[in-house]
Amino acid sequence: QLQLQESGPGLVKPSETLSLTCTVSGGSISSRTYYWGWIRQPPGKGLEWIGSINYSGTTSYKSSLQSRVTISVDTSKNQFSLRLTSVTAADTAVYYCARDPIGSYPDYWGQGTLVTVSS
Amino acid sequence: EIVMTQSPATLSVSPGERATLSCRASQSIGSSLAWYQQKPGQPPRLVISGASTRATGVPARFSGSGSGTEFTLTITSLQSEDFAVYYCQQYNVWHTFGQGTKLEIK
Repeated sequence: QLQLQESGPGLVKPSETLSLTCTVSGGSISSRTYYWGWIRQPPGKGLEWIGSINYSGTTSYKSSLQSRVTISVDTSKNQFSLRLTSVTAADTAVYYCARDPIGSYPDYWGQGTLVTVSS
Repeated sequence: EIVMTQSPATLSVSPGERATLSCRASQSIGSSLAWYQQKPGQPPRLVISGASTRATGVPARFSGSGSGTEFTLTITSLQSEDFAVYYCQQYNVWHTFGQGTKLEIK
C-alpha cells in the first residue's frame, strides 16, 4: 500500500523559507507514470495545488506561486521536497503531498502537516 | 488558469433527503473532473472521478454527472457520515479546485 508522509518545521518566520519533504513508501517515486505534487489548505479554506514534479525533475507550478516555489526530487531516498520563499501569514496552511498520475487526479495523499508563519 | 466555481457554498439537507451540488468550469474540461469529500482533520477522500465514476468503496447513493463546463454531484438518501465539505477538481490542465460546498444537517 502506497503511503506518503510529510515532514518539516511547523513554524516558519515571515520572510523566511518554508521547506517540507514528502517520503514515499510502498512504491517507487521513479515510476514514469506519475508526477508527485504538493497541495495546501489554509485553515478553514479550500484546497490549492502548488505544483508537481516527476522522477526526472520536470516540474509544473501554479502560476501565481511560480516565483517563490521550488519542488525537487531525490529518487535515491524516494522523497520529494517543497521550498517556498519569502513566506507571509497567507502561507499558513496544512500542506499535503500527493501522488499525481499523469493526466489524472491526485490519488494518494499524505495526512498533511500544518505550517504556521509567525514571528 | 481554469477557474472552478461551486454552488452553493453551504447546503442544509435533512438525513434521508437528496443533496445536489454543482460545479462549473471556466472553460471546457471534458470529463476530467473529480469530486472529493473532506471531514475535519482529514485529507480529502476521492468520491468521483471522470465526472461520473465512483471511487472504490463509495456507496451507490453517490453519483456524478456532467461534461464540458457543468457538473453535478448528487447524494441520495443522505446518511450522517455524508455530511462534510465537498470539493470539485479539474485535472484537464494540471489541477484547480473549487472553493467547496459544506453539506450540513438541516
